[in-house]
Amino acid sequence: AQSVTQLDSQVPVFEEAPVELRCNYSSSVSVYLFWYVQYPNQGLQLLLKYLSGSTLVKGINGFEAEFNKSQTSFHLRKPSVHISDTAEYFCAVSRDVGGTSYGKLTFGQGTILTVHP
Amino acid sequence: NAGVTQTPKFRVLKTGQSMTLLCAQDMNHEYMYWYRQDPGMGLRLIHYSVGEGTTAKGEVPDGYNVSRLKKQNFLLGLESAAPSQTSVYFCASREHNEQFFGPGTRLTVL
Repeated sequence: AQSVTQLDSQVPVFEEAPVELRCNYSSSVSVYLFWYVQYPNQGLQLLLKYLSGSTLVKGINGFEAEFNKSQTSFHLRKPSVHISDTAEYFCAVSRDVGGTSYGKLTFGQGTILTVHP
Repeated sequence: NAGVTQTPKFRVLKTGQSMTLLCAQDMNHEYMYWYRQDPGMGLRLIHYSVGEGTTAKGEVPDGYNVSRLKKQNFLLGLESAAPSQTSVYFCASREHNEQFFGPGTRLTVL
């Protein structure tokens, strides 16, 4: 079974500062990796995903993430945050489809990013 | 396209009452999922379906039942609600390794 750990439950940051949200996973098989964002009182929206290929993945709203297989990490970064980035962010993993995983996602606990003016 | 919709948006139940949450998707997706979200625990998979007429248990299935009689609909039932089922419930459908989420149902069990 796989598991996901988001190392920070809350991250406060000032507007226009860079931010990194950390995610580590454990799995005995290859995985797909995802970051989702949840704005207050809304559902989850996909920010970006890693399936294969380049380890640096670019997503929407200026976010990017880097897959590091040796460190089993998939940290999310943005060079300059805006007030509108205030939200909760979830890292998730899925085992390779083709077996019996059926695309099921295992989520981390979430990181609340608060951007202050 | 409406995407994934959930009904109702809010509900308050008394312990022991039953209810059904409806999830509908208009994207013709085969796979559908029900999750619950609790503070500090992320989202946890309750049940899922890989196609019309199929269902399977997820990580936290106890106290819930599901049905997928039509491809576009995935129903989540609580036969006898308990306070521990107070949560926000999200439905999702999947295509090409991406899950699309509904807006959620906030359920309170008193």
